[in-house]
Amino acid sequence: NAGVTQTPKFQVLKTGQSMTLQCAQDMNHEYMSWYRQDPGMGLRLIHYSVGAGITDQGEVPNGYNVSRSTTEDFPLRLLSAAPSQTSVYFCASSYWDSRDNEKLFFGSGTQLSVL
Amino acid sequence: AQKVTQAQTEISVVEKEDVTLDCVYETRDTTYYLFWYKQPPSGELVFLIRRNSFDEQNEISGRYSWNFQKSTSSFNFTITASQVVDSAVYFCALDLTQGGSEKLVFGKGTKLTVNP
Repeated sequence: NAGVTQTPKFQVLKTGQSMTLQCAQDMNHEYMSWYRQDPGMGLRLIHYSVGAGITDQGEVPNGYNVSRSTTEDFPLRLLSAAPSQTSVYFCASSYWDSRDNEKLFFGSGTQLSVL
Repeated sequence: AQKVTQAQTEISVVEKEDVTLDCVYETRDTTYYLFWYKQPPSGELVFLIRRNSFDEQNEISGRYSWNFQKSTSSFNFTITASQVVDSAVYFCALDLTQGGSEKLVFGKGTKLTVNP
C-alpha cells in the first residue's frame, strides 16, 4: 500500500516554465487536496476535490490548475511559473474510519524552486 | 473569519520534560473540526488527531494529550515525558466544512526541539 505518492520530490524551474506536480493515491479516497507550505505561513490550501470530476478552489488558487479525471490522480499544474511559487507542495487524501473519524494522509512533499 | 493562532513559534525542551503547544482558533460557526498534525524533519505531514466542536472531552493517546476548551477557543496539545523523536513542527488546523477536511485552515506551526 503506497498511500499518497507525490512526484517529483525536487524541481527547479525558470520563470515562465510550466510543469505538473503529480499526486496519486491507492486508497480509493474521495477527497484530495493540494497545499503549499511557506516559512512563517503554515499550510495553505490551493485546490481540492471531493471526487472524480469535481474540483474547487482553496485559499490560494491563482497560478495553479487542477483536474480530477480519476479517483486516484490529482495533478497540480503550474502554467507559467513565478518566483512567488517557490514553496513546498503537499498533496493529501482523506477517508473516514469506522468510528466516523476522518483521517488525512499527506504525501511526502515536493520542493519547488522557481528562479 | 476563520483563523488559527499558534503563538509559540519555537519551543526547546530537554528530554523527559513535559511540553504544551498552544492553539487558539476563531470561528463563528457552531460546528467545526480541529486537527493536529506533526511534521518531522523528514518533511512529511502526519495526522495526530481530529476533534469535532461537540466533543469537549480531553483525549489521551500514549504520551500525547489534547485539551479542548470551547470557552477559551483553545485546543492545546501536551506531550508528556518528551523524547528526541518528538522534535518536529506541529500544526493545529480548523475545518468548517462539516464534511471533508478539504478546507482546512492551518496555524503557522510550532517548532519543537527536544534536546537529549
